[in-house]
Amino acid sequence: EADIYQTPRYLVIGTGKKITLECSQTMGHDKMYWYQQDPGMELHLIHYSYGVNSTEKGDLSSESTVSRIRTEHFPLTLESARPSHTSQYLCASSVWTGLTYNEQFFGPGTRLTVL
Amino acid sequence: GQQLNQSPQSMFIQEGEDVSMNCTSSSIFNTWLWYKQEPGEGPVLLIALYKAGELTSNGRLTAQFGITRKDSFLNISASIPSDVGIYFCAGPHGSSNTGKLIFGQGTTLQVKP
Repeated sequence: EADIYQTPRYLVIGTGKKITLECSQTMGHDKMYWYQQDPGMELHLIHYSYGVNSTEKGDLSSESTVSRIRTEHFPLTLESARPSHTSQYLCASSVWTGLTYNEQFFGPGTRLTVL
Repeated sequence: GQQLNQSPQSMFIQEGEDVSMNCTSSSIFNTWLWYKQEPGEGPVLLIALYKAGELTSNGRLTAQFGITRKDSFLNISASIPSDVGIYFCAGPHGSSNTGKLIFGQGTTLQVKP
């Protein structure tokens, strides 16, 4: 079982608040990812990191920002939450298997509701 | 851009039945992945495929890498209630060495006891 953790699991917050969603993995994986997923829908990549101090935006435009100061930690921040940010946010990580980096392990997700 | 299409979108079956679902791509893939997501949880990797024509099993699950490299199939034999969830296919976004994936829209499976 993959060791990747996300906190909080659920967050209900008012418009305009700053929030940080935490993601940590204890597997030493160098690549980490953030996805946004509406209920029952496909996952959309919003951020990814190749390693420490390396982050890039994904395909889906997002007003969130990320940082990667330590290998195991990849937090996501929203400076001013809006109702349109209501969604599930999933964090994942992967490591070179000898063939690919594609086998991603996911955390349990944070379900964010902005009122 | 790259796109993955899964079918069917949803299935409602009787316990004990076999299940088949598939995923097609607009471009050639060199890797196919199948994930299962249960309510309130993150996706869990079920099977990874790396070679055209490859057939791989994980318990009652069997997945195949289509020989055209533009499709993949997942079969579940003798379904049980705990098979309920959303099944996603995924493939590499651009170069496989970035680790980035694109996901299909998912197939929702419901099993009636």
